[in-house]
Amino acid sequence: AQSVTQPDIHITVSEGASLELRCNYSYGATPYLFWYVQSPGQGLQLLLKYFSGDTLVQGIKGFEAEFKRSQSSFNLRKPSVHWSDAAEYFCAVGARAAGNKLTFGGGTRVLVKP
Amino acid sequence: GAVVSQHPSWVICKSGTSVKIECRSLDFQATTMFWYRQFPKQSLMLMATSNEGSKATYEQGVEKDKFLINHASLTLSTLTVTSAHPEDSSFYICSATRLDTSNQPQHFGDGTRLSIL
Repeated sequence: AQSVTQPDIHITVSEGASLELRCNYSYGATPYLFWYVQSPGQGLQLLLKYFSGDTLVQGIKGFEAEFKRSQSSFNLRKPSVHWSDAAEYFCAVGARAAGNKLTFGGGTRVLVKP
Repeated sequence: GAVVSQHPSWVICKSGTSVKIECRSLDFQATTMFWYRQFPKQSLMLMATSNEGSKATYEQGVEKDKFLINHASLTLSTLTVTSAHPEDSSFYICSATRLDTSNQPQHFGDGTRLSIL
């Protein structure tokens, strides 16, 4: 069975500082990996995805993530955070063999200090 | 990116009524749509998988007679919460994807907040 762990429930970061959100997954084969962002009361927006190939993935809004197979991780990073990045971030794992069903991590709430 | 529209965005209704939520993929044909439920400050819980032209597949513990799903076309899936009660109050989110195209992520709607009085 697939599982996703986001160890940090909350992260507070100052505007302009760097951000890293951790994600660890458990899956028998090479998974599809995703990061989504959710603003309060809204749906999820896809930040980036990994299916295969280059393990460093670039996404929207200046985010990137690196797939590390040996560590079963897919951490999300941004060099300089903006106040508008305050939101809930979800890591998710899926697989074509599972009908592209996603398993989500518990989420990390990012607070940005001015 | 792909656009998924969900309607209505907010519903308040009396206990015992049925509520229908629509999920539309606006710019692509979705072979598969997913319905999720999200409780406050929690992650998304998959309720069911909806494939066009076939019966939905429900996750364990989800009552299929309570949550009726119809996927009549490649652009529309509906979730009907029948005889809704206060415990059904939640945030419901749909997503759409194509399974016959490789590397297609799920695209999410903006969600529907359902409040049962």
